[in-house]
Amino acid sequence: GAGVSQTPSNKVTEKGKYVELRCDPISGHTALYWYRQSLGQGPEFLIYFQGTGAADDSGLPNDRFFAVRPEGSVSTLKIQRTERGDSAVYLCASSQTVDRVRSGELFFGEGSRLTVL
Amino acid sequence: AQTVTQSQPEMSVQEAETVTLSCTYDTSENNYYLFWYKQPPSRQMILVIRQEAYKQQNATENRFSVNFQKAAKSFSLKISDSQLGDTAMYFCAFMKTNSGYALNFGKGTSLLVTP
Repeated sequence: GAGVSQTPSNKVTEKGKYVELRCDPISGHTALYWYRQSLGQGPEFLIYFQGTGAADDSGLPNDRFFAVRPEGSVSTLKIQRTERGDSAVYLCASSQTVDRVRSGELFFGEGSRLTVL
Repeated sequence: AQTVTQSQPEMSVQEAETVTLSCTYDTSENNYYLFWYKQPPSRQMILVIRQEAYKQQNATENRFSVNFQKAAKSFSLKISDSQLGDTAMYFCAFMKTNSGYALNFGKGTSLLVTP
């Protein structure tokens, strides 16, 4: 596609429910990142993929958070047993290669706003 | 861990004027990258400008320039001839060169450009 696409744009759920957020990167981009942006804060790194594998998942806050990218393109961020503190905008970004990120060639989607009631 | 501090939560500037957004960071690394990103209400982060720490020359991109002071660990953004479309959140970000490729962002500065 022309840009990074994230769905849903907005998601409201109840505490304790399971949520999936989807990211469709720019075609051909091998590197894919997830960030979480809480209200009034800058984005916080969660995980990044190089191809199908998670190259760095050190930012995932706990084992309720999990992300996959089975075919090296679309990625899904999965959150189990959601808590009110998980409410945030979840941003996805992609780059042709990880080296291109250093050049600033990192393209963000518009994010998925998750609200946990 | 690297920390990025943006001490100005909100700034305002009149159209056509110049404004400077400040950013400081803390790191023990010698080589790294610094970025300024713009986030309009659409939430999509857009790169404004980047700087490689080993380059002494300050980066410029049209109306945007930085003042990079490595010893002081300071990386301010200057916007000249401000335009209404510059109204947005601006985030300073740090990236190590040797691992992770993850960006560390500051809390952001909300910039309002007024007519």
